[in-house]
Amino acid sequence: AQSVTQPDIHITVSEGASLELRCNYSYGATPYLFWYVQSPGQGLQLLLKYFSGDTLVQGIKGFEAEFKRSQSSFNLRKPSVHWSDAAEYFCAVGAVTGGGNKLTFGTGTQLKVEL
Amino acid sequence: NAGVMQNPRHLVRRRGQEARLRCSPMKGHSHVYWYRQLPEEGLKFMVYLQKENIIDESGMPKERFSAEFPKEGPSILRIQQVVRGDSAAYFCASSLQGPRGGTEAFFGQGTRLTVV
Repeated sequence: AQSVTQPDIHITVSEGASLELRCNYSYGATPYLFWYVQSPGQGLQLLLKYFSGDTLVQGIKGFEAEFKRSQSSFNLRKPSVHWSDAAEYFCAVGAVTGGGNKLTFGTGTQLKVEL
Repeated sequence: NAGVMQNPRHLVRRRGQEARLRCSPMKGHSHVYWYRQLPEEGLKFMVYLQKENIIDESGMPKERFSAEFPKEGPSILRIQQVVRGDSAAYFCASSLQGPRGGTEAFFGQGTRLTVV
């Protein structure tokens, strides 16, 4: 069975500083990997996804993530954080099921941005 | 193209009542997923449906919970005889059928169920 670990529950960074959120996964085959962001009281918005090909993927809002098979990691990065990036971030791995894509989520990392 | 629509956004039920949560997928999407988010936790998969079929319900509690996705109309997640532990945010997502399932899921805003 697949699993996702996000080791940092809370992270605080200053506005303008760089950001890296960690994600490790466990999955028996080539994974489909995702990062979602959730603002308070809202649904999830997809930031970026990895299916195959280039291991460095670019997403929306200036985010990027790098798939490292040897480390089973898919860390999310942003070179300069904005105050509006404060939210909860979820890493997820997808399992192919009957043509669809069932997601297993990590427990999330709450990002706080100090002005 | 409207996104995934869930209603109601907020639902309050007394213990023992029934809760019905609705989800209209994005236009053209044939796959619907339901997830539950308990306070301070990540999302947990509950059930995956295609039109008129339950494909995977491995995350669904065995009792009181059921889901359907009829040929016409929205997907419904039904919780009978609710208990306080059912209080959570329930999210619906939909996706297209992609090659080998490698397609992203789009999430609705969620229904926040409170059992009093």
